[in-house]
Amino acid sequence: QKEVEQNSGPLSVPEGAIASLNCTYSDRGSQSFFWYRQYSGKSPELIMFIYSNGDKEDGRFTAQLNKASQYVSLLIRDSQPSDSATYLCAVMPSGGYQKVTFGTGTKLQVIP
Amino acid sequence: DVKVTQSSRYLVKRTGEKVFLECVQDMDHENMFWYRQDPGLGLRLIYFSYDVKMKEKGDIPEGYSVSREKKERFSLILESASTNQTSMYLCASSLSGARGSSYEQYFGPGTRLTVT
Repeated sequence: QKEVEQNSGPLSVPEGAIASLNCTYSDRGSQSFFWYRQYSGKSPELIMFIYSNGDKEDGRFTAQLNKASQYVSLLIRDSQPSDSATYLCAVMPSGGYQKVTFGTGTKLQVIP
Repeated sequence: DVKVTQSSRYLVKRTGEKVFLECVQDMDHENMFWYRQDPGLGLRLIYFSYDVKMKEKGDIPEGYSVSREKKERFSLILESASTNQTSMYLCASSLSGARGSSYEQYFGPGTRLTVT
């Protein structure tokens, strides 16, 4: 079992819709969770992080964490074509010593 | 604003050459990381460093070494480049947890290395 799993996609949503990106992880003791956006040919850019159960909102982005079910999700409201990118989930496992494990990413396509 | 820079965006080297990739961050971060990214395999950690002169192996250290002589600079060395080291190399840095960090990492622009 992979430590951090994401559906590779592509996930296609129409402009203005809500995009929902999901990530599951295997280490129940994981502490911190991150979402990165990566445009083609570019490096990952941090969108947000979450470490407590529940929701965390930042503009059009909401991260949701459920430690009991070991999943973290990212919702993008009012999706724009500029949101088209690959979204990477990253998890800092227990005893991680500041390392994180990345999922392979979900490609999102927002259709105008 | 966090800034991580890498010495080259594109690099072409021949098999057997010694290759140096340099990374510099200007945010006084304690932790620095080297990853490679390949299609379908995602980001894989090669080495990381949590302090000057300190280093730890990541998931795929074979064929690589690193050097951290100054806090802001972290170098990745390919002792004898091989074609299977053709990849995108990404450097990242983060603040120590002891300084209130949530361990988020900030990435440089990447170096696309081709070994022929």
